[in-house]
Amino acid sequence: TQLLEQSPQFLSIQEGENLTVYCNSSSVFSSLQWYRQEPGEGPVLLVTVVTGGEVKKLKRLTFQFGDARKDSSLHITAAQPGDTGLYLCAGFNAGNNRKLIWGLGTSLAVNP
Amino acid sequence: NAGVMQNPRHLVRRRGQEARLRCSPMKGHSHVYWYRQLPEEGLKFMVYLQKENIIDESGMPKERFSAEFPKEGPSILRIQQVVRGDSAAYFCASSPVQPSGANVLTFGAGSRLTVL
Repeated sequence: TQLLEQSPQFLSIQEGENLTVYCNSSSVFSSLQWYRQEPGEGPVLLVTVVTGGEVKKLKRLTFQFGDARKDSSLHITAAQPGDTGLYLCAGFNAGNNRKLIWGLGTSLAVNP
Repeated sequence: NAGVMQNPRHLVRRRGQEARLRCSPMKGHSHVYWYRQLPEEGLKFMVYLQKENIIDESGMPKERFSAEFPKEGPSILRIQQVVRGDSAAYFCASSPVQPSGANVLTFGAGSRLTVL
């Protein structure tokens, strides 16, 4: 059983389209992080959200943490081929900030 | 300002051999974490170490796996008598301070172990 469920698992879109990917759980997390992983490389941190309801923007990427701190979303505006990659969400359970719990990721392909 | 360095990047072993994976944390980081990534299971926490101390090894298999982070030199993840199921990507991450709240980890590029 995966504590963090990511959807969709795969997404293929055309350049210029908008998209949203989701990270859901029945558990409360003290913080959630979004990473992007390229093939053959390690995950690279994009953002950390800590407060319920928090919204953070990183250029064309908008991250939101649910009010109850159980879910998060990543919205990409006007996707570009360079956005292609595996997007992973990960979080620390309340009371344990040593072990990151990971979703399986959304594999995004942006076609020119 | 080098990031987290892992080597080897790729390692091939036959069943029964030993695998040693090395990780040098970012400069100034004294906390090291090891994660394993399997294709259909995602990333899983294995162990958290500080210099000369294993703090949390709750994700380590009970047998054949060990980790250390000596006073000098890199952290080492050691797998004895490897089996095919050990084939995976092993990622090391480091952080600068005692983890609290939104702990920020920097990951290495990983070591990909293939057991024949």
